[in-house]
Amino acid sequence: GESVGLHLPTLSVQEGDNSIINCAYSNSASDYFIWYKQESGKGPQFIIDIRSNMDKRQGQRVTVLLNKTVKHLSLQIAATQPGDSAVYFCAEILLSGGYQKVTFGTGTKLQVIP
Amino acid sequence: KAGVTQTPRYLIKTRGQQVTLSCSPISGHRSVSWYQQTPGQGLQFLFEYFSETQRNKGNFPGRFSGRQFSNSRSEMNVSTLELGDSALYLCASNPLAQETQYFGPGTRLLVL
Repeated sequence: GESVGLHLPTLSVQEGDNSIINCAYSNSASDYFIWYKQESGKGPQFIIDIRSNMDKRQGQRVTVLLNKTVKHLSLQIAATQPGDSAVYFCAEILLSGGYQKVTFGTGTKLQVIP
Repeated sequence: KAGVTQTPRYLIKTRGQQVTLSCSPISGHRSVSWYQQTPGQGLQFLFEYFSETQRNKGNFPGRFSGRQFSNSRSEMNVSTLELGDSALYLCASNPLAQETQYFGPGTRLLVL
């Protein structure tokens, strides 16, 4: 069946360094992808999305790369800050019949070392 | 605009009881989805409502049900609670069915 998975449960990064969080997906028909950030005790917060017809999209300090050939998605965070510590989820969205099917990855915990 | 709100934030129940959770979407959002989040299974889709109609349903037993009201507020109900139902239940809303979802803070349910 369709699945979206994260391979690294925990990522530790020194403050000021760049972080890269990876995600593999299996459904090549997915229409777009979203990265969410979830801090302790809170719901997931939208960070950035990318359409399947794009390879790269940049936001404020974040960049998402999409490699459809190998079905891989990554989130790059520049100059990682302590406030970036959270669990990051990728989500795969398939649009069908006027509605959407959202499949989440398992999550990667980002720990920023001061 | 105010974000998605969920009540209650925390809940403790015992096995066999039933529970009702409430979600108020962002004003103007017509689609509401519910998710269960556990350490072992991650985020799992429960169901989605749009204009008071359930449009999509995840792979959960019939003990899990929901509904949406004319003002787009939604409730989900779990009957005959089991220990494994302990989880964070998240509600997400989006303006239309195919737009990005925005999540509430969740309701943390503990079943003893």
